[in-house]
Amino acid sequence: SQTIHQWPATLVQPVGSPLSLECTVEGTSNPNLYWYRQAAGRGLQLLFYSVGIGQISSEVPQNLSASRPQDRQFILSSKKLLLSDSGFYLCAGHSPLHFGNGTRLTVT
Amino acid sequence: GQQLNQSPQSMFIQEGEDVSMNCTSSSIFNTWLWYKQEPGEGPVLLIALYKAGELTSNGRLTAQFGITRKDSFLNISASIPSDVGIYFCAGPQGAGGTSYGKLTFGQGTILTVHP
Repeated sequence: SQTIHQWPATLVQPVGSPLSLECTVEGTSNPNLYWYRQAAGRGLQLLFYSVGIGQISSEVPQNLSASRPQDRQFILSSKKLLLSDSGFYLCAGHSPLHFGNGTRLTVT
Repeated sequence: GQQLNQSPQSMFIQEGEDVSMNCTSSSIFNTWLWYKQEPGEGPVLLIALYKAGELTSNGRLTAQFGITRKDSFLNISASIPSDVGIYFCAGPQGAGGTSYGKLTFGQGTILTVHP
C-alpha cells in the first residue's frame, strides 16, 4: 500500500518569504501525485497534479508552484508568500485518493 | 463548475444515535467517495462507490450511490465519541469524470458526538 509523507507538520512564515513543502511517497512507483489546499477546515481544492517526473499541471492560478524532481517526490513552492496563502496543504496519491497528514501554513 | 452540496453542515448528537448525511450535485458523477477528517490530519477514505444504486458498508458506516447518479448518502449507526470529525463527499472532476485523483469535494459535515 502507498504511504504519503509530508513535512513540516506546521509552519509559520512572514509575508514575502519563500516556501518549500515536501511530499514523498512510499510503496509504489510512478504514482500520480496531487497538492490540495484546505481553507478554514472545510472543502479541499486541487492546486496541482503530476503524472511523472517534471510533469506538472496547475488547476488554479495562484502564487504557488510545484515541481516533481524525482519519481516519489513532489514539492510545493512559493517565491514570496502572501497572507492569502495561509491554509492546510495536503499531498495525495493513489487511486482512490489517499492523503498525507498535511502541513498547516500560517503566513503572518 | 461542479459543486457538491453537503447537508447538514453540522450535527450535534448523543452517543448511540444514528447519523445520516447526504451529498447532492447538479452534475452526474460516476464515482462517489466518502472521507473522514480528524483535527490536524489529512482526510481518510471511508467508502468508495462505483455504480448507481450501490450500497456499501464499512463497519457501522453505510453509503449509497443514488440512482440518479447526482446524490449519495452516508449513514453511521450507533455513534460513538470517536466518530467525531468532518465528513466529506467527493467525486471526480468534470461531468462523468473518471480521474480518482482530480476530485471535487463537498464542504463537509461536522459531526459532534456527546458521550
